[in-house]
Amino acid sequence: DTEVTQTPKHLVMGMTNKKSLKCEQHMGHRAMYWYKQKAKKPPELMFVYSYEKLSINESVPSRFSPECPNSSLLNLHLHALQPEDSALYLCASSQDRDGNEQFFGPGTRLTVL
Amino acid sequence: AQSVTQLDSQVPVFEEAPVELRCNYSSSVSVYLFWYVQYPNQGLQLLLKYLSGSTLVESINGFEAEFNKSQTSFHLRKPSVHISDTAEYFCAVMLVGSQGNLIFGKGTKLSVKP
Repeated sequence: DTEVTQTPKHLVMGMTNKKSLKCEQHMGHRAMYWYKQKAKKPPELMFVYSYEKLSINESVPSRFSPECPNSSLLNLHLHALQPEDSALYLCASSQDRDGNEQFFGPGTRLTVL
Repeated sequence: AQSVTQLDSQVPVFEEAPVELRCNYSSSVSVYLFWYVQYPNQGLQLLLKYLSGSTLVESINGFEAEFNKSQTSFHLRKPSVHISDTAEYFCAVMLVGSQGNLIFGKGTKLSVKP
């Protein structure tokens, strides 16, 4: 299984809602990532988890809260988002952090109303 | 700080023609280099990577890229493109030892016309 899955594919939420994005991989990878991609822009790194511990937080606002319950799962909890947070949220995983191929999921397209 | 420059935001080309997508990077330390492809409404797929060794790397679908340290470049080439190669191509760098922090260029939209 060489796939990273993400759910949901699409999400529309209001600014007062609480929602979560889910990412799963069964490749035995020990590093997992969240990226944000605005329309017609490159992906930008948000968080890196290595061996289930947060190792990088790229100064992301606290309304985004990552969680890594186990080595196969990565969640992104969303609360009190702004319309400018609308984007494609991509999850990726790699065998470990350094220099390895990152496998990307298809993304969750988030719209904040 | 490191950066990646993709000089061409859009490259239109006819089917079966050759193509080169340019990528230059800036870094004071050693880097790993990657090309990713993104088809419409999809995630990113790794096309090829340079970690060490031979400076010419190839993908299974006919693309190749050459790492040129003196020119700090990692241009992507294909001798004959297909309609199905139409996609967004992102060049990316990762500092050696940077804990997986991929820095992407702005992307190049390759449009292959019949």
